[in-house]
Amino acid sequence: RKEVEQDPGPFNVPEGATVAFNCTYSNSASQSFFWYRQDCRKEPKLLMSVYSSGNEDGRFTAQLNRASQYISLLIRDSKLSDSATYLCVVRSGYSTLTFGKGTMLLVSP
Amino acid sequence: DAGVIQSPRHEVTEMGQEVTLRCKPISGHNSLFWYRQTMMRGLELLIYFNNNVPIDDSGMPEDRFSAKMPNASFSTLKIQPSEPRDSAVYFCASSNEAPGELFFGEGSRLTVL
Repeated sequence: RKEVEQDPGPFNVPEGATVAFNCTYSNSASQSFFWYRQDCRKEPKLLMSVYSSGNEDGRFTAQLNRASQYISLLIRDSKLSDSATYLCVVRSGYSTLTFGKGTMLLVSP
Repeated sequence: DAGVIQSPRHEVTEMGQEVTLRCKPISGHNSLFWYRQTMMRGLELLIYFNNNVPIDDSGMPEDRFSAKMPNASFSTLKIQPSEPRDSAVYFCASSNEAPGELFFGEGSRLTVL
């Protein structure tokens, strides 16, 4: 089983739609969780951290289910500019961040 | 403030040649990471330095790969000899303390013919 698994997509949605991405991780000792965003041919950038109680940043909501080892990202009111690859990231040791392969989102007019 | 700076941005070389990728981390960051990204395998951690000392190099594919960090502001990743399967985008990233946020450079896109 891979350490961090994501549905590769692509998810094709119209502007204004709500879309959700899921991610599962295999190491139950994982400590911290993040979503990164990567635009085409660019470097990954931190989108948001994921807290146990769930957290929201504008149109973005992240949730963590430790019992199921499952992380989600919800995007409401999708914009064209949300088109990107979303990477689920897990920290297990002091330093090591493990990246999922990403889920591609395409938002169309 | 300058971000993580990588060079070269693009490199095309022939099999068997030596490749050296360079990275300047963000000033004040004490951790530096080299990642490799391919379509098939995604982002893979190659090696991690903390305070210029290699901490985890378990991701380095084989002896053809080596990395150094002679000081806090410079790191190199060397491939010798290069092979076509090394073709990928190599990212350098830096962070402060325990990483949550990694700051990535723009990457070095390597093509080995």
